[in-house]
Amino acid sequence: DQQVKQNSPSLSVQEGRISILNCDYTNSMFDYFLWYKKYPAEGPTFLISISSIKDKNEDGRFTVFLNKSAKHLSLHIVPSQPGDSAVYFCASSGGSQGNLIFGKGTKLSVKP
Amino acid sequence: DTEVTQTPKHLVMGMTNKKSLKCEQHMGHRAMYWYKQKAKKPPELMFVYSYEKLSINESVPSRFSPECPNSSLLNLHLHALQPEDSALYLCASSQTESPGFGNEQFFGPGTRLTVL
Repeated sequence: DQQVKQNSPSLSVQEGRISILNCDYTNSMFDYFLWYKKYPAEGPTFLISISSIKDKNEDGRFTVFLNKSAKHLSLHIVPSQPGDSAVYFCASSGGSQGNLIFGKGTKLSVKP
Repeated sequence: DTEVTQTPKHLVMGMTNKKSLKCEQHMGHRAMYWYKQKAKKPPELMFVYSYEKLSINESVPSRFSPECPNSSLLNLHLHALQPEDSALYLCASSQTESPGFGNEQFFGPGTRLTVL
């Protein structure tokens, strides 16, 4: 059973607009969440993270929001740029070990 | 240096071959990881090394044999693989194994393995 879910396999957004990528998790013990971006034939690149003691974390154009009661997080990219086109993975790092549990990913396409 | 390097980039091997994948980082990280990623799927954890000792083995078949010769190097020895083992093999590292802010995993570019 999937513990981290990204229910939208793809998302298409116009350049300059906001991209919102969503992620749900099932285990209430999960307390740290990360977003990775992956281009084809490359390894995932760390983007931004959030701890369960916060509900928002910002880094430039990227903001992650966490709603613990809903077990939901989202990544906002604004403004979106064509170079943001990639697969975005949500991941959770729960418990005492470093096992990252990834969602299936959402492919973002930003059109010029 | 915030880079994790992996060699080779591509590898084609037969089912009777023995080969090795290599991973290196010079960030002083003490946790290193092997992941396997099939097409259109998320990365799946295989092994975790913490302070050069095997910490986690996610029930990986013995035809995959990890080795951590020192704190900067991680190898994955391959023997008698099956065609279904064809995948992208990713190495990652982090400061320590404990999850948390500032201890994110950094990934290498991966080795694309094809087993004939």
